[in-house]
Formats: sequence, structure tokens, C-alpha cells
Amino acid sequence: EAGVAQSPRYKIIEKRQSVAFWCNPISGHATLYWYQQILGQGPKLLIQFQNNGVVDDSQLPKDRFSAERLKGVDSTLKIQPAKLEDSAVYLCASSLVGQGLHFGNGTRLTVT
Amino acid sequence: GESVGLHLPTLSVQEGDNSIINCAYSNSASDYFIWYKQESGKGPQFIIDIRSNMDKRQGQRVTVLLNKTVKHLSLQIAATQPGDSAVYFCAENFSGNTPLVFGKGTRLSVIA
Repeated sequence: EAGVAQSPRYKIIEKRQSVAFWCNPISGHATLYWYQQILGQGPKLLIQFQNNGVVDDSQLPKDRFSAERLKGVDSTLKIQPAKLEDSAVYLCASSLVGQGLHFGNGTRLTVT
Repeated sequence: GESVGLHLPTLSVQEGDNSIINCAYSNSASDYFIWYKQESGKGPQFIIDIRSNMDKRQGQRVTVLLNKTVKHLSLQIAATQPGDSAVYFCAENFSGNTPLVFGKGTRLSVIA
């Protein structure tokens, strides 16, 4: 089966600019997650979707981060405006309900 | 707050030896645990999982042990190979569909 697809692979922006990441989950996976992974740390959950509804966005910095999954399949994560501390790998994952997560290879964001 | 942690940040083993990676968790209510392997530039890859009603589960060359008394999880890799070199994360789930919480990771280096 095809894995979780993410794009772009890398992105370099200046602080205060905006950026968007795209994720296509594994077909049939109702649950979709966005994680932030800062260098040397484990992934930290930003937001979890069940179909097109938000299950948990308690750790999403809502003043600058937003995410949507309008049709319950693909998802986009946006940062506006970006800060230096947003430099990280943004990982998308999907799963069947109650099962383990399958991750994409992430988007590496560098904010200068 | 509740957290998942690892005892050792780095581990070096000789090729062919067995590896043991340890993890401590703090929430006695956690009922699902997963080990992930993350190679450079890639997303975390599922290795093996275990539920709290078990204390041992075996896969191909890997074994996960769960000690609920001391809230300890370990990953054993038999006959470690150079391809096993990666960062290993344990993750815990508090109930069913809640998001996984990841530890900081252990870097495994295999010496040929």
C-alpha cells in the first residue's frame, strides 16, 4: 500500500513569512495527525483529525498555526507568520481508529 | 505532567550482538505502547507494539517487554545489524484513540 505522502520535502523561509505543508494519508485511514519534531527531540502532537473533524488541537499555537482537512482526506498545515523557533520537521501521520500511526517522511522547515 | 522518557540517549553495539533499548513511562493508565525506528531524513517507522494485558511480544528479531509494576518498557533487537542504526522512540497511548506521546529517543549505533 502507498504510504503517507507529504510535500514539500524541504522549505526555507524568512521569519514573519507564511508557509503551508500538504499531507495525503494512507487510503482508508480516518485519523490524521500533524506532529512537530524539533531536532534531537521526539515528535510532539500539534493536531489530530478524525475524518474532517478536529479531535485534539490543544497543543497547536492557534495564533499562528492552522490546519484543515476539508474533505476528510488530504490535509494542510499553515504557519503565518513564522518564527525562528518554528524550525523543525513537520510530520504527518495517519491511522485506522485505535491502531498504530504510519508516518510520512516529513517536511523540514528552516526559518531564517 | 505525564511523560514518556528513555534511560539512555545513545547506545553503541557491535554488529551481531543483541541490543536492549529501555524506556520508562509515568502514567499507570497507559494501555498501549509502540516502538518506532527513525532513520535520518525519514519519518518514524512502526516496529512493534504491545498492549497492557501482555508482558512480552515478539516480532522478527525484535522483542518488546512490558513491566507494568515498575512502568518500564524495553526493546530487544537480536543480532543487531548495521541497518538497525537509527533513533528509537517509545510512545504511549493513554486510552484507545488518544494521541501517542513520544519520548526523546535513543540513538543506536552499530559498529561493524
